[in-house]
Amino acid sequence: GEKVEQHESTLSVREGDSAVINCTYTDTASSYFPWYKQEAGKSLHFVIDIRSNVDRKQSQRLIVLLDKKAKRFSLHITATQPEDSAIYFCAASPGGSNAKLTFGKGTKLSVKS
Amino acid sequence: DAGVTQTPRHEVAEKGQTIILKCEPVSGHNDLFWYRQTKIQGLELLSYFRSKSLMEDGGAFKDRFKAEMLNSSFSTLKIQPTEPKDSAVYLCASSQGAAETLYFGSGTRLTVL
Repeated sequence: GEKVEQHESTLSVREGDSAVINCTYTDTASSYFPWYKQEAGKSLHFVIDIRSNVDRKQSQRLIVLLDKKAKRFSLHITATQPEDSAIYFCAASPGGSNAKLTFGKGTKLSVKS
Repeated sequence: DAGVTQTPRHEVAEKGQTIILKCEPVSGHNDLFWYRQTKIQGLELLSYFRSKSLMEDGGAFKDRFKAEMLNSSFSTLKIQPTEPKDSAVYLCASSQGAAETLYFGSGTRLTVL
């Protein structure tokens, strides 16, 4: 089955800097790549996703890049703010269905003011 | 609209007990998922329902874990008998369709003594 690896288990940046979280996947059939955020003591909520028909997507300060050849995707958070501090989970799904969604183990981002 | 509601928030059980966790999905959502979250394994899919039909029963979790969806607005996850290794956060999520955004509940933190 699909395996998703999140390369950074922790990441610390200064407020205003950019943060980059990298993930790799193994299944070439994966076509849907969502990102979820989990703030301390809370559950996961969706932040942004990308599908395999594009290689870049932006939503305000969040940018997702997808490199299908390298089977790699990344989340870029620009102009970081303290409220960006959370655990970020990447995920990948062969065929684009939530039923086959495999999550990475999470990256704990700390934004220091 | 209310989000995904999970009860109880916390559960403490003795080894060997039976526990039942409850979930109410977002109204109108057709897909419901149960996940287990631990620091070591991350998020693992336990069960997946589409329009109340069980589509995925989580393979390795079959023997002591049973999820049911008696109607479109309520699901339960029964663990019988519980073991200390079942201590984790159990998350319920729902989505409108197979390739739509997942909405997570706040989770139930289970401690098995």
